[in-house]
Amino acid sequence: DVKVTQSSRYLVKRTGEKVFLECVQDMDHENMFWYRQDPGLGLRLIYFSYDVKMKEKGDIPEGYSVSREKKERFSLILESASTNQTSMYLCASSKATPKPGAAGYTEAFFGQGTRLTVV
Amino acid sequence: AQKITQTQPGMFVQEKEAVTLDCTYDTSDPSYGLFWYKQPSSGEMIFLIYQGSYDQQNATEGRYSLNFQKARKSANLVISASQLGDSAMYFCAMREGAHRNSGGSNYKLTFGKGTLLTVNP
Repeated sequence: DVKVTQSSRYLVKRTGEKVFLECVQDMDHENMFWYRQDPGLGLRLIYFSYDVKMKEKGDIPEGYSVSREKKERFSLILESASTNQTSMYLCASSKATPKPGAAGYTEAFFGQGTRLTVV
Repeated sequence: AQKITQTQPGMFVQEKEAVTLDCTYDTSDPSYGLFWYKQPSSGEMIFLIYQGSYDQQNATEGRYSLNFQKARKSANLVISASQLGDSAMYFCAMREGAHRNSGGSNYKLTFGKGTLLTVNP
């Protein structure tokens, strides 16, 4: 079974703290994603990575950075946590997509989520 | 602009009836994929069904089918014979991206805001 593991289920941090959210996958997936989920807003993409040391901004990267030093691990960093970053954070991973015309697809597998509260 | 639009914040359906959840998308990439995920109250994200932009036929997976209308850029999920366990949040998602090398490609996976489906007994 594919496994995507997030280091914490619940986290409470103080405003201004540097926060690390860790995500590890065990299926040698090339693509990894970080989302935040808020009621009424769905899942919004923060950053994604398609290879070691490669990263691209998603739709809401402000206030966040990421690190991917090893293929299996993708870290989300809140440089200086603020109360508006209180949210559910979801990590996902996926194999690289097939080339156009090739059969098959690659769905994303998700971790269990980290509910972060910044006080 | 929204890449994925789900216009129904909430839907109700009677048990054993069929229900359609709407999804429209916006992309200029000729190669893209559309996914539907289910998120029960427990919070896990469960993959349901996939439709590729080059697929000639609508995708089906058991009680789930995808009504793919490419020209209209819509990918509605149809759930037949609803069950109480279908009550959950449903998300439509789109993969788009360039194929960069022989090993595959990077891609961006974006989600809609979701539709909360409630199945009544």
